[in-house]
Amino acid sequence: GAVVSQHPSWVICKSGTSVKIECRSLDFQATTMFWYRQFPKQSLMLMATSNEGSKATYEQGVEKDKFLINHASLTLSTLTVTSAHPEDSSFYICSARDQGGREEYFGPGTRLTVT
Amino acid sequence: GQNIDQPTEMTATEGAIVQINCTYQTSGFNGLFWYQQHAGEAPTFLSYNVLDGLEEKGRFSSFLSRSKGYSYLLLKELQMKDSASYLCAVRDSNYQLIWGAGTKLIIKP
Repeated sequence: GAVVSQHPSWVICKSGTSVKIECRSLDFQATTMFWYRQFPKQSLMLMATSNEGSKATYEQGVEKDKFLINHASLTLSTLTVTSAHPEDSSFYICSARDQGGREEYFGPGTRLTVT
Repeated sequence: GQNIDQPTEMTATEGAIVQINCTYQTSGFNGLFWYQQHAGEAPTFLSYNVLDGLEEKGRFSSFLSRSKGYSYLLLKELQMKDSASYLCAVRDSNYQLIWGAGTKLIIKP
């Protein structure tokens, strides 16, 4: 089956630093990848949609200069949280849609803690 | 606006059957998904419905009525490991997934 990996699985960083999270589709090509954020006991919140070779589309209220998304290839998308603050601490999950377009496959998530 | 409603929490007994309902109002419809999410983990795919009717997959079944904007997930022969949140999501006309808040299912022995 389709596998999506994320790296790192968890990260602790200091306030003001930047953190990069990688999302890879391991056995399929993903023209579209999605980045979600999930706070404790809340549902997934879509942050942005990333299409290979083009700029990401951000959801309302998500700062594109703070959450930088790069989808450089059909198997890799990265999310960089710039100048992280404690309120950015969350569970970040990526998903990838294959070229058939029916299903989204989720990565295992990255837990970010900003101190 | 777009809206997906599902109960916040449900409790059931091991070995029993539970039905989790989901109603939706979205701009367009391109399929309804059910995902299972254990605490601290990413969601895992359970089922997909795009036509009316029942889709059965082992102990899990999912039903869709597009005219009523309604779906349910049926879990049979409940096991303790089924304790999790169950997320209903609808793909809208832009092919984006609109997520419900999730139903936390608690299984008691």
